[in-house]
Amino acid sequence: NAGVMQNPRHLVRRRGQEARLRCSPMKGHSHVYWYRQLPEEGLKFMVYLQKENIIDESGMPKERFSAEFPKEGPSILRIQQVVRGDSAAYFCASSPRMAGNTGELFFGEGSRLTVL
Amino acid sequence: EDKVVQSPLSLVVHEGDTVTLNCSYEVTNFRSLLWYKQEKKAPTFLFMLTSSGIEKKSGRLSSILDKKELFSILNITATQTGDSAVYLCAVEAGSNYQLIWGAGTKLIIKP
Repeated sequence: NAGVMQNPRHLVRRRGQEARLRCSPMKGHSHVYWYRQLPEEGLKFMVYLQKENIIDESGMPKERFSAEFPKEGPSILRIQQVVRGDSAAYFCASSPRMAGNTGELFFGEGSRLTVL
Repeated sequence: EDKVVQSPLSLVVHEGDTVTLNCSYEVTNFRSLLWYKQEKKAPTFLFMLTSSGIEKKSGRLSSILDKKELFSILNITATQTGDSAVYLCAVEAGSNYQLIWGAGTKLIIKP
């Protein structure tokens, strides 16, 4: 049973370009969470999605950032017109149920975005 | 505002030493506290604590929660170089599913 798969592992973009990060949850998991980790900081919640629904995007900047989790295919975190401050590691985690019920999330290895 | 504070931020010890990592929190409607180990890749789950005073143990690692004083500790005995990692504490609070994360403790074990 493959774990949470994220790609690309490393992504370099110039300011103003778009970044797309993908996350395939573990088989059977329908809950996906995106986190951002800046150097020397903890993980910060961005968005929580279930299949075809955004449940909570309160941690995500209102501009330039969007996320989706279609019925088929991976969850995608999209950052438009990237700026240097977007450089970070973006982690995806999945759970078979709402994380509050399991207390356990399965994390991907992260996608490191570097904005030049 | 809910917050989770870990200490120390970094720690360097020699192999064989015992270490204690701290996690204190101030949250509304506490539900659980979780410890994760993050090496170069993704965080991996260590413990989930919901009840005060009950120690959870896994090999050389153990953890306990004090809901009165609002903190948890993670103990690692007989440390090995493979224990070198960032240890993250997260608290689930409120009626939602979000986890509030601490900044982590960077642990370095010297041979």
